[in-house]
Amino acid sequence: ETGVTQTPRHLVMGMTNKKSLKCEQHLGHNAMYWYKQSAKKPLELMFVYSLEERVENNSVPSRFSPECPNSSHLFLHLHTLQPEDSALYLCASSQELNTEAFFGQGTRLTVV
Amino acid sequence: DQQVKQNSPSLSVQEGRISILNCDYTNSMFDYFLWYKKYPAEGPTFLISISSIKDKNEDGRFTVFLNKSAKHLSLHIVPSQPGDSAVYFCAASAFNSNYQLIWGAGTKLIIKP
Repeated sequence: ETGVTQTPRHLVMGMTNKKSLKCEQHLGHNAMYWYKQSAKKPLELMFVYSLEERVENNSVPSRFSPECPNSSHLFLHLHTLQPEDSALYLCASSQELNTEAFFGQGTRLTVV
Repeated sequence: DQQVKQNSPSLSVQEGRISILNCDYTNSMFDYFLWYKKYPAEGPTFLISISSIKDKNEDGRFTVFLNKSAKHLSLHIVPSQPGDSAVYFCAASAFNSNYQLIWGAGTKLIIKP
């Protein structure tokens, strides 16, 4: 079992749909992150949670809504997305904030 | 304005030779640097890191060099192997930063047999 698991691996959704991405870490880490990777762009940090509390929100549109019910799980709720939101969404965790992060395999999201 | 730059989008190296991946940064407050490797359809994997109190860190075939005065770091892979073909990302952070790792755009390394 990998340390950080993301589901689903692939998701196609319409602009009026509501969906959620799930991330689970089995490493006992205290911090979890959502990143967005678009083609040929640097990784963009979206949200940071430490001990289940959000500590960073990088001006992400409200159509992306994170949820961290406990230290092992992180969700990203999606609604009324735009085609330009199509990207690879990566979850990561680290022992503490800003230490080496371990990434999940990502969810490839396509908005049609 | 990108604070972490990887100016080479791709690099091709013969198997067995040395691969050198470069990264430049502009923020003098950065004091911790990391390299990640990413295969297609997978998340990045941590490779090696270096703090600003050092100028070199080595782990097996991977060595990271930091030149603070030039705001430049490099990742050396020797000898290069076919499995090293991947995209390599450089990332940096500052001790008093707002929890952000600032990432470069990546360099695609291709190891030729």
